[in-house]
Amino acid sequence: GENVEQHPSTLSVQEGDSAVIKCTYSDSASNYFPWYKQELGKGPQLIIDIRSNVGEKKDQRIAVTLNKTAKHFSLHITETQPEDSAVYFCAASFASKLTFGTGTRLQVTL
Amino acid sequence: SAVISQKPSRDICQRGTSLTIQCQVDSQVTMMFWYRQQPGQSLTLIATANQGSEATYESGFVIDKFPISRPNLTFSTLTVSNMSPEDSSIYLCSVWGTGAPNTGELFFGEGSRLTVL
Repeated sequence: GENVEQHPSTLSVQEGDSAVIKCTYSDSASNYFPWYKQELGKGPQLIIDIRSNVGEKKDQRIAVTLNKTAKHFSLHITETQPEDSAVYFCAASFASKLTFGTGTRLQVTL
Repeated sequence: SAVISQKPSRDICQRGTSLTIQCQVDSQVTMMFWYRQQPGQSLTLIATANQGSEATYESGFVIDKFPISRPNLTFSTLTVSNMSPEDSSIYLCSVWGTGAPNTGELFFGEGSRLTVL
């Protein structure tokens, strides 16, 4: 089955700096790669996703890149704000099931 | 989009007892997914609940421990049976939103946080 690795497990940045989280996946058949943000006491919420026919996608301060050959994808958050502090999960999907990475706890300090 | 309601939101349970978690979706969906999130950990898929057929369980999860019901296209239950402290987790229900799988967004409920003493 699919295996998704995520790094780093924790990340601390100063407000206004950029944050980058990286994931690798094992199943070359995976074709959908979402990123979820989970705040304390809440369920995960989708923040951005990318499909295998696209190399990069951007939505305001958030961008995701995908390298299918190397089987890795990354989340980039620019101009970080305190409200970006949360746990972020990457995931990879083939058919209808998502396999999640281990999560990154992002802390944005003032 | 999809709005998912889970009950209970949290509970404290005694070892050896069972608890049933309910998941209600505001639209009809073919598949409903149950995930487990152990403290500080990632999300692990327990099973896929299909209406009108037996649930499909992932490796490491069995029906006797996690029986699932799916009586209609908007509702499912997950029971955690004969609980032990190792079952202390957040249990999350999820569904794909509008569009077929992989063309839509996977939505999650707020989760049910179980603590087993």
